[in-house]
Amino acid sequence: DIQLTQSPSFLSASVGDRVTITCRASQGIRSSLAWYQQTTGKAPELLIYTASTLQSGVPSRFRGSGSGTEFTLTISSLQPEDFATYYCQQLNSYPLTFGGGTKVEIK
Amino acid sequence: EVQLVETGGGLIQPGGSLRLSCTASGFTVSSNYMNWVRQAPGKGLEWVSVIYAGGNTFYADSVKGRFTISRDNSKNTLYLQMNSLRAEDTAMYYCAREIRDAYNELLGHSWGQGTLVTVSS
Repeated sequence: DIQLTQSPSFLSASVGDRVTITCRASQGIRSSLAWYQQTTGKAPELLIYTASTLQSGVPSRFRGSGSGTEFTLTISSLQPEDFATYYCQQLNSYPLTFGGGTKVEIK
Repeated sequence: EVQLVETGGGLIQPGGSLRLSCTASGFTVSSNYMNWVRQAPGKGLEWVSVIYAGGNTFYADSVKGRFTISRDNSKNTLYLQMNSLRAEDTAMYYCAREIRDAYNELLGHSWGQGTLVTVSS
C-alpha cells in the first residue's frame, strides 16, 4: 500500500498569511494526487486534482504542485473560510490512501 | 444536480450487521465507479471499498471478508453490507463517486454527507 505522510498535522495562522502543507508518498505516484478541504461536520470537498489542477469554483489562492513523491498545497492569503482540515489522497492505485490531515486553525 | 444521500447508520452491538444505502440522483450509479470511505470520530479518512462500473469490487484489508459492496441499478442505489461489526468500525461512512476524465484517469471524488455507524454494547 502507498503511504502518504502529511505535514504539519496542525498549524496556527492568521488571516492573510501564506500557508504551505506538504504530502510525501512512500513511492512514486506521478501526478495522481488530490487535495480535499473538510470543515467541521461536513464531508470533504475536492480542491485540487492531478496535483495542480484547481477544481471548478475553487478560489485561485489555492495552488497545488509536485509530482512523484513530493507534493505541496499552498494557500497564498488565508481567508476566514479556509480554516479547516486538509487531506491529500493518492489516486495512483488501490487501496486509495489519504494523508493524516492538516488542521489549520486561527492564531 | 448530482447528489448522494446515505442512510442506514445507527447504533449496533459488536458482532452485529448493518446495511448502508446511498441513493444517487443526477447521474447513473451503474455507469460510475462508486466508493465507500469512512472516518472514525476525530480521525482521518480511510478508504473502504469500490465497485467498478463493470462490477468488479475491491476492499480494504481491514474489512475484507466482512463487508460487501453492491448496487441496485433499478433503484440507482449503492449499498454496503457490514457483518461481524467491531468497535473499530465506528465511523462516519461516506458514499463517494469517482470523478474520471475522458481517458478514465481517476481525478478525485465527490461525496455524500455521510451516515454514522456506532458499534458499541
